Amino acid sequence: EPEVTQTPSHQVTQMGQEVILRCVPISNHLYFYWYRQILGQKVEFLVSFYNNEISEKSEIFDDQFSVERPDGSNFTLKIRSTKLEDSAMYFCASGESKGLFFGSGTQLSVL
Amino acid sequence: AQRVTQPEKLLSVFKGAPVELKCNYSYSGSPELFWYVQYSRQRLQLLLRHISRESIKGFTADLNKGETSFHLKKPFAQEEDSAMYYCALTGSGGSYIPTFGRGTSLIVHP
Repeated sequence: EPEVTQTPSHQVTQMGQEVILRCVPISNHLYFYWYRQILGQKVEFLVSFYNNEISEKSEIFDDQFSVERPDGSNFTLKIRSTKLEDSAMYFCASGESKGLFFGSGTQLSVL
Repeated sequence: AQRVTQPEKLLSVFKGAPVELKCNYSYSGSPELFWYVQYSRQRLQLLLRHISRESIKGFTADLNKGETSFHLKKPFAQEEDSAMYYCALTGSGGSYIPTFGRGTSLIVHP
C-alpha cells in the first residue's frame, strides 16, 4: 500500500540553525500539507500546497517557514532560523481532495 | 471559522465496555467530518469519514447536524483500540484543509 514517507524521523538542532524536513507524498496525490503537533497539544495546520504553490497557510507559518517541491516527488519544509518553540512533531500529509494520508512524522528538537 | 471540540482528554474503559468519544463542531456551512487514529508510535491514519457511512474496526460515527456532533462509538472496546483519536472537519466552501480537535486518549484496560 502506498504511504507518505518522512525523513529524518528525529532531528536535533541548535537554536538559530536552519532545518529541512523532507517528505515524499503518495505519487498520484495533488494536495500536500504540513502539520505540527507540540507535545501534549493538538495537531495544528501549517500550510497546504497545490499545483506547485501554497494554497493556504496558517498564522504559525511565518517568514521563517518555507515549502518547496524541488523535483516533483519530494516536498520539503524549511525552517530558516529555528526557535525553541519550534520543537514539535512535524507531519506531512497528502490527499486527493479530502481525507489525508499522513507520514510518520519528524520529531524536531531545538536546543 | 471552523472549530472542532473534543471535550475529553482521556477516556478510560475496561475491555468489552461500550465506548463513545465525543466530538462537537462549529461550522456555518455543510461540513465533512472525519475520525483519525494514532496508535502508539505510529502515524495518524484515517479511521472513517461520515459520508462513507461505514464501520471500521467496529467503530461507527453518525453526523448529527442538529446537535453539531460526530461522536465515535464502539459497542465493545478491545485493548488494541487504545490510541489517540482525533476528530477533524473540512468545510464545503472551498477550503479542504482539515481542522483537528485536541484529541482524546482512549485507554482500554484488560
